[in-house]
Formats: sequence, C-alpha cells, structure tokens
Amino acid sequence: DQQVKQNSPSLSVQEGRISILNCDYTNSMFDYFLWYKKYPAEGPTFLISISSIKDKNEDGRFTVFLNKSAKHLSLHIVPSQPGDSAVYFCAAGVTGGGNKLTFGTGTQLKVEL
Amino acid sequence: KAGVTQTPRYLIKTRGQQVTLSCSPISGHRSVSWYQQTPGQGLQFLFEYFSETQRNKGNFPGRFSGRQFSNSRSEMNVSTLELGDSALYLCASSLRGPDTQYFGPGTRLTVL
Repeated sequence: DQQVKQNSPSLSVQEGRISILNCDYTNSMFDYFLWYKKYPAEGPTFLISISSIKDKNEDGRFTVFLNKSAKHLSLHIVPSQPGDSAVYFCAAGVTGGGNKLTFGTGTQLKVEL
Repeated sequence: KAGVTQTPRYLIKTRGQQVTLSCSPISGHRSVSWYQQTPGQGLQFLFEYFSETQRNKGNFPGRFSGRQFSNSRSEMNVSTLELGDSALYLCASSLRGPDTQYFGPGTRLTVL
C-alpha cells in the first residue's frame, strides 16, 4: 500500500521555466511533508518542508503548496536551472512519530539548456 | 563538520548469508534511521534508533535488525539474505526532527 505517491517518474523542463513536481498521499494522519533532492551516488538532501497548518512555504526558488482536502502537494522550482536535475522525493510524517518518514517513489527532473 | 558515513559502500553477498552494515552519524546527533531504496519502491523506512533504543520500526521481516551504541553509531544486520534484499541501504542522522535529517551516501548491497 503506497501511502505517498509520485505518479510522474520523470519530468523534463527547459532552463528558466517552472518545474512542478506533484505528490499525493492517502494517510490523513500525515501532518508534515518534506521534499528531498537526490543526486546519483549521494544520499538525499533536505530541500523544503511544510506543516499541515500551512498551505504554502517558500524558500528562494522553491515553493511547496499543500492542498489538504485533495491530499496533494506540489513543489514549484522557479526558475529551473541545470543543477536542479536530480531525483526529487516527497516524504510525509506524523508529529510525535519520531523521524519515521514515508517516501514517494521519486520523480527524475531533467532541466535542459 | 563531518557528514554521515556508511561502511562499506559496496557489498556482494550470496543468498543465505548474513550482512552487517555500519553508520556513523554526525557528531551530536542521537537519532539514526535506516531506509531501504529499491527501484520503483522509493525509500522504505526500516527503523529508527534514539539513545540506543529503537523508537520506530517499519514493516520489514525479523531478518532485519539493528542496534545503536552509546556513541550513537548504528549497525543494521540482515540475516538469511534473499535476492530481493539487493538494494541501496541509507542511513540518516538527525539532531531534532526530520527536517534536520542528514543522509549518508548509502551501502549498495547485491545479493547473488
């Protein structure tokens, strides 16, 4: 049972344009969400997070939107840069659940020149 | 500050053997979590240790076990290896919550 889903395994975007990565979840208990970026041969690195009490969080070029009623979140990268090419994972957790995270299967983003 | 280190980086074993993987967290981090990454499955949570106690456990069979030492270093053990155990095993250490969680480069385990 995949509680966190990333239905697009890959996404290709032109440099300078917006990249939108999507994530859906099924478990209503999740109350915080994170995005991680992963380069080959490296571990994932934390990018941005959002609590369920918010519907938007912004950090530089990265913005995460949360739609609780739809159980959907998205990561917007504006403008996209070639160095953003990586696999992006969304993850979800429950407050008080320690550091246990449920991850999606990832989306490979390719930013083309 | 040194990051999370995992040893060995690559490992080849045969079915039925057992394996022990090691993780050294960032200095001062007391929480260590383990994840298994396989193609098409994303990262799946194995377990989390905090101050030498298992705080969380994922849905993996009892062949997967772990422990944490007083210096916060952690090991995970997989007994009676199966072909399906071939994966990248990632360790992450944290100072507080998951947004302060730092991952190591992983150990690539291949079971033949």
